[in-house]
This record gives sequence, structure tokens and C-alpha cells, in this order.
Amino acid sequence: QKEVEQDPGPLSVPEGAIVSLNCTYSNSAFQYFMWYRQYSRKGPELLMYTYSSGNKEDGRFTAQVDKSSKYISLFIRDSQPSDSATYLCAMSDPGTGANSKLTFGKGITLSVRP
Amino acid sequence: NAGVTQTPKFQVLKTGQSMTLQCAQDMNHEYMSWYRQDPGMGLRLIHYSVGAGITDQGEVPNGYNVSRSTTEDFPLRLLSAAPSQTSVYFCASSNRDRAGYTFGSGTRLTVV
Repeated sequence: QKEVEQDPGPLSVPEGAIVSLNCTYSNSAFQYFMWYRQYSRKGPELLMYTYSSGNKEDGRFTAQVDKSSKYISLFIRDSQPSDSATYLCAMSDPGTGANSKLTFGKGITLSVRP
Repeated sequence: NAGVTQTPKFQVLKTGQSMTLQCAQDMNHEYMSWYRQDPGMGLRLIHYSVGAGITDQGEVPNGYNVSRSTTEDFPLRLLSAAPSQTSVYFCASSNRDRAGYTFGSGTRLTVV
């Protein structure tokens, strides 16, 4: 079992839909949880970051972490065609620091239809 | 402020050749990492560094060497290229105290 599992997709939704992207993990030491967005033929860019459990909101994006279930989610409200990209979850544990050794999910490709 | 700069953007190698992928950052970040991205495999960590003179192996280090003599540069060396190393390579850097990496735009490598 990989440490981080992510729904493989792809996912296609109409403009304006609410999108839910999810990852599960097996390493209970993970404390730092991130979502990256990657446009085609570009490098990933950090979208959301959460430490430990809880929710975090930034505009149309909400990140949730449920450590008891080892489950994280990214919600996108009022999705736009410009949200079409690959979304990757990433995690790390305090022993190695927030950034020194990230473990990524495989990514899910989202397409928002106008 | 250029961020993370990777060169070259594209490269074709023959099996057995060696080469160095360059990575430079101008943000004075302590941490730097190399990832490879393959279809269906996501991003996998090759090597990482928490500061000048300090490097460690990631998930898929075989066939690659790194060194970090300065804070700014973190080159990745392919010792003897193999077709299995055909991939997109990303370099990334980050601050010790702020979560989240800044990624370069990638190097697309094909080994024939």
C-alpha cells in the first residue's frame, strides 16, 4: 500500500459545480498537508496548506483534514474553466520538517466544462 | 526575482550517456529537492537537501547523484542514462519555516 492514495480520475464537471478531491494516507505521523495545482506542461504550485487537523478556506477553495480517518479533502466552489488542471495532495511529518521530504499522491486531472 | 530556474528545458540522451540537470534558486531557500514525474506515478522524490553540504536520498535515488556546494544551486547528475530515466524532472525549493515548495518549470528528458 502506498503511503498516500488519491482518486485516479479524470474528473469532468460543468462550470459552477462544487468539486471534491480526496486523498487517504496510512502514515499517522503526517502533520503537514498540502494541495498543489499543476497546469499542463508546468510545474506544480502550492494551492493550500494545513497543519494537523481542521479546515482552511481561501476564496473558492477549502481544505479539510480528518486525522482520525487519515483523510484529506479539497473543495472547489463555483468551479471555473480556469480551474482545469491536475491537483496533487502532498504530506510530510514533523520529524523531517514541513518541507524536507514530501510524499505526493498521484494526482487527479480536473476538467471544468464551460 | 527568477524563483527556481531549471536548465535545460528539453534533452534527448542516448543510453549510457551522462549529463547534469541544473537547478538554481534566488530566494535564499534552505531546502531543495529533485522530483521525477511519470504518467500514473505522480511525483517521486529522488534526492533532497536541507542546506549547503547536506543531502539525502528520497524514494528513487538509484542512478542519480547530487551535491549542494552553495545555497543557490542543486544539480542532479545522471551517471549512465537508461530508458527508464525518461521522465519530467522538477526541482523545488522552500524555506525551512514556511510550508510549501516553489517548483521550477521542469526538464523533459528522453533517453533513447
